[in-house]
Amino acid sequence: GQSLEQPSEVTAVEGAIVQINCTYQTSGFYGLSWYQQHDGGAPTFLSYNALDGLEETGRFSSFLSRSDSYGYLLLQELQMKDSASYFCAPGRDDKIIFGKGTRLHILP
Amino acid sequence: NAGVTQTPKFRVLKTGQSMTLLCAQDMNHEYMYWYRQDPGMGLRLIHYSVGEGTTAKGEVPDGYNVSRLKKQNFLLGLESAAPSQTSVYFCASSTGLATTYEQYFGPGTRLTVT
Repeated sequence: GQSLEQPSEVTAVEGAIVQINCTYQTSGFYGLSWYQQHDGGAPTFLSYNALDGLEETGRFSSFLSRSDSYGYLLLQELQMKDSASYFCAPGRDDKIIFGKGTRLHILP
Repeated sequence: NAGVTQTPKFRVLKTGQSMTLLCAQDMNHEYMYWYRQDPGMGLRLIHYSVGEGTTAKGEVPDGYNVSRLKKQNFLLGLESAAPSQTSVYFCASSTGLATTYEQYFGPGTRLTVT
């Protein structure tokens, strides 16, 4: 079957580092994407991991372990503008599956 | 280069009415998708298309129909709207290459069915 789990909410302090975990069970799995969505906005692509390991894009990094069906998004030097929902999205066949997302709250 | 555009941005329908949502992309993408997003539910795939003239069902296709007559356009139809279809609808497009699953999203259509 299909399953996807990520925390519903995470709170962190401005300037700190936060990690958002994602576990999935997806048949025909291709790779793991991460999307960011601000309130009232559309999702925007952050990163994609097709292979095991860490991908770094500026302050954001994403990790994948295919053998553990696990990935995470790491946000460094948190800024208030990073307050948003973050979705892990495993890819299979011609589509990706979105989870319910993790709401990131950032405290000043 | 407008990316992905959606028409209309807002709409209020009465139960039983019909409407069509239009999605257009100017990136020459093969793949297009329609999602709905309800509070606390994330994004759920309604229908998608892997090329002009093709459509396929997603996770929640009931009550919706789609058409992809032109590569750049993907239409979502509601034949007889129901209050359960009150939602935010997002269209997305992608190249379809397995090397990346990056999808580009439109701004969304906020639909209320009373």
